[in-house]
Amino acid sequence: EIVLTQSPDFQSVTPREKVTITCRASQSIGSSLHWYQQKPDQSPKLLIKYASQSFSGVPSRFSGSGSGTDFTLTINSLEVEDAATYYCRQSSSLPYTFGQGTKLEIK
Amino acid sequence: EVQMVQSGAEVKKPGESLKISCKGSGYSFANYWIDWVRQMPGKGLEWMGVIYPGDSDTRYSPSFQGQVSISADKSIGTAYLQWSSLKASDTAIYYCARHARGVNEYWGQGTPVTVSS
Repeated sequence: EIVLTQSPDFQSVTPREKVTITCRASQSIGSSLHWYQQKPDQSPKLLIKYASQSFSGVPSRFSGSGSGTDFTLTINSLEVEDAATYYCRQSSSLPYTFGQGTKLEIK
Repeated sequence: EVQMVQSGAEVKKPGESLKISCKGSGYSFANYWIDWVRQMPGKGLEWMGVIYPGDSDTRYSPSFQGQVSISADKSIGTAYLQWSSLKASDTAIYYCARHARGVNEYWGQGTPVTVSS
């Protein structure tokens, strides 16, 4: 089973700040890494697929990069509405697995 | 418009059985895999398993193999997650999500399940 480790677990940030969340895989997964956003009491939403492809309708301040074992989600100029927990998930091999999540709090 | 609509909240006692549903619409239901994902209270997302409604090919996470059963009825565009004997530790929100080439683009609203004596 591929283990995904996100860092940090929690981050308190101010609006307009640039935020970087990392996801490290226990073995190479190519670009089969996707990022999801979950706001309180809502279903997760897809932000980025295949490491760097933005999903339709997602604001351009969200971007992704990486391949192999190391991946990054970047939020440029954070907005108040971006307060949420962010998860990475791999689809390289079964069982699919999620990272433990990174909670962003807006100061 | 693609929609995944799940059945409503459930409150059950330990040992009871339960079957929750997820209805897909706005696309060819038989041709897309559907994932089930668990979220225990205050915790992260856990991938449980996946089914291809076209031929009912089903794969489970080792963590959930034997604990739940995933099925689908393509004639009515609905996938199911089933327990034969619930435990308190099954208390969680369960999500279904359409799966295309490994990516969950569309999610259901979640079904809260509470198991308590």
